[in-house]
Amino acid sequence: GAVVSQHPSRVICKSGTSVKIECRSLDFQATTMFWYRQFPKQSLMLMATSNEGSKATYEQGVEKDKFLINHASLTLSTLTVTSAHPEDSSFYICSASPGTGVQETQYFGPGTRLLVL
Amino acid sequence: AQSVTQPDIHITVSEGASLELRCNYSYGATPYLFWYVQSPGQGLQLLLKYFSGDTLVQGIKGFEAEFKRSQSSFNLRKPSVHWSDAAEYFCAVGAGGYQKVTFGTGTKLQVIP
Repeated sequence: GAVVSQHPSRVICKSGTSVKIECRSLDFQATTMFWYRQFPKQSLMLMATSNEGSKATYEQGVEKDKFLINHASLTLSTLTVTSAHPEDSSFYICSASPGTGVQETQYFGPGTRLLVL
Repeated sequence: AQSVTQPDIHITVSEGASLELRCNYSYGATPYLFWYVQSPGQGLQLLLKYFSGDTLVQGIKGFEAEFKRSQSSFNLRKPSVHWSDAAEYFCAVGAGGYQKVTFGTGTKLQVIP
């Protein structure tokens, strides 16, 4: 089946630093990738949608200058949390889809836990 | 805007017992509905989905769900739970199929011997 990986699985950083999270589709080409954020005991919140070679589309309330998304190839998307602060601590999950149609399946990565001290 | 409510945060069942996880949604048109399972260290896995047609949907791992428009519900069921089913389960609704999905807050399932 389709596999999506994330790296790192866990990261701890100091306040003010930037952190990059990678999302890779291992056995398929991901036309569309999604980034979610999950707070404890809360649901996944969609942050942004990115299509390969295009700028990401951010959801309302998500700061695009803080959460930089790059979908440079059909197998890799990166999320960079710039100047991270403790309130950015969360569980970040990516998913990838081989197409853009409404019935294209999303395959999820295992998530990255970010802790900002 | 669509929304999903999973009223049960945590459920405990005995192995071999039946299971029903509740999900209610809010959406103005015919919804696309999903159930996902999340195990520790693993990504969300799609159990089943409803787009149209038969309102009783069969999924993987012996799960099924029934879409009831009159009740705005999409409850997940399994006749006999196995210890390996212990995980967190998310119901989701899509406004445009997979492309704009809203998740519920999840139900954590514990299975006791």
